[in-house]
Amino acid sequence: GAVVSQHPSWVICKSGTSVKIECRSLDFQATTMFWYRQFPKQSLMLMATSNEGSKATYEQGVEKDKFLINHASLTLSTLTVTSAHPEDSSFYICSARLAGSTDTQYFGPGTRLTVL
Amino acid sequence: GENVEQHPSTLSVQEGDSAVIKCTYSDSASNYFPWYKQELGKRPQLIIDIRSNVGEKKDQRIAVTLNKTAKHFSLHITETQPEDSAVYFCAANGAAGNKLTFGGGTRVLVKP
Repeated sequence: GAVVSQHPSWVICKSGTSVKIECRSLDFQATTMFWYRQFPKQSLMLMATSNEGSKATYEQGVEKDKFLINHASLTLSTLTVTSAHPEDSSFYICSARLAGSTDTQYFGPGTRLTVL
Repeated sequence: GENVEQHPSTLSVQEGDSAVIKCTYSDSASNYFPWYKQELGKRPQLIIDIRSNVGEKKDQRIAVTLNKTAKHFSLHITETQPEDSAVYFCAANGAAGNKLTFGGGTRVLVKP
């Protein structure tokens, strides 16, 4: 149980284009999902908290117009990297928290974004 | 906000020996402390967690201890095996309790 999927697993795009990443909870409902960014050999940096049916809460320093988050259902959250640039290249990982739970997070497999 | 420090950053042990990773946190209101294992290029996997109402929790070769007074918690892996080689992250949930702050990670290498 508690399986989280992400799509795509990797993507290469040209500078200036937008990329959408999907995060799905497959066997449970998640009122809250989280989006992290991870640089090589570094820790997980929380970008934003995504709540179903409401606006995402962004961490300090994360541009909300750059990283658009939508959480339209209890099993799906999307992250759109708009007007991507090479510095946006990174490993993006989502996690989901069980509805009714206050803490335990289950992670997706991650999406490796490379912007040329 | 919460700040989590993790040590050491790298740890090399001989197969069969024990490994210990230590984390300190800053927010005394934190009450949930999970540990994740991440293999190269893969997702972090929850391996064990502890809540502030207990001081120790064990699951086979893995144990976690919590000292609320000192605001630190530790992961203990006994009888290490090569498949334990990975990066381990500790985390704490902070005052709001709705998000996790991660430590910097410990790269563990178990030498056969």
